Amino acid sequence: DGGITQSPKYLFRKEGQNVTLSCEQNLNHDAMYWYRQDPGQGLRLIYYSQIVNDFQKGDIAEGYSVSREKKESFPLTVTSAQKNPTAFYLCASIPPGRANTEAFFGQGTRLTVV
Amino acid sequence: KNEVEQSPQNLTAQEGEFITINCSYSVGISALHWLQQHPGGGIVSLFMLSSGKKKHGRLIATINIQEKHSSLHITASHPRDSAVYICAALSYGTGTASKLTFGTGTRLQVTL
Repeated sequence: DGGITQSPKYLFRKEGQNVTLSCEQNLNHDAMYWYRQDPGQGLRLIYYSQIVNDFQKGDIAEGYSVSREKKESFPLTVTSAQKNPTAFYLCASIPPGRANTEAFFGQGTRLTVV
Repeated sequence: KNEVEQSPQNLTAQEGEFITINCSYSVGISALHWLQQHPGGGIVSLFMLSSGKKKHGRLIATINIQEKHSSLHITASHPRDSAVYICAALSYGTGTASKLTFGTGTRLQVTL
């Protein structure tokens, strides 16, 4: 079955360390997205990519980096410059734009920085 | 004002009650998603709607495109329904990226 796989589900890191969150999809979607969720807030867009080797900053990109070397993969690196990295991170993908299109979601990664 | 508004923010119900969660949006959409998130857990996609109504087990989702409003109903609620329910509006981009806008979620607690 096609879908999005995020790993790991839970991740613990020490303050000051970079950490990379994985997002893989086998849906052949061009567009992939990373979102962050903080308690009591809606999910906010960090980065998105519409095509391989291209990506754009979202609303809260500071302290994060991404790459899109393959269509299937869109890893997110939380760098030491991110002041409050502890959060829930969600990856999503959307098929080529058309009406009635459906987004697909990973299960999410819960990152705790201690 | 957020582009996607959910109400209520918090909801407590007794087992067996009928529950309604509302989502209003101000953007043009191609689809609306309802998602479920259990405490400390991941995201599960419940429904994708572009018109009308969908039903899955005890869950029913409806959307009124003209009024820009969607509802999620849970019949015969059960404690295992306790979770955060999130609506997400998908805007189709022509020449630009498609965009997902999320509501802040409704926290549901179903008690015995």
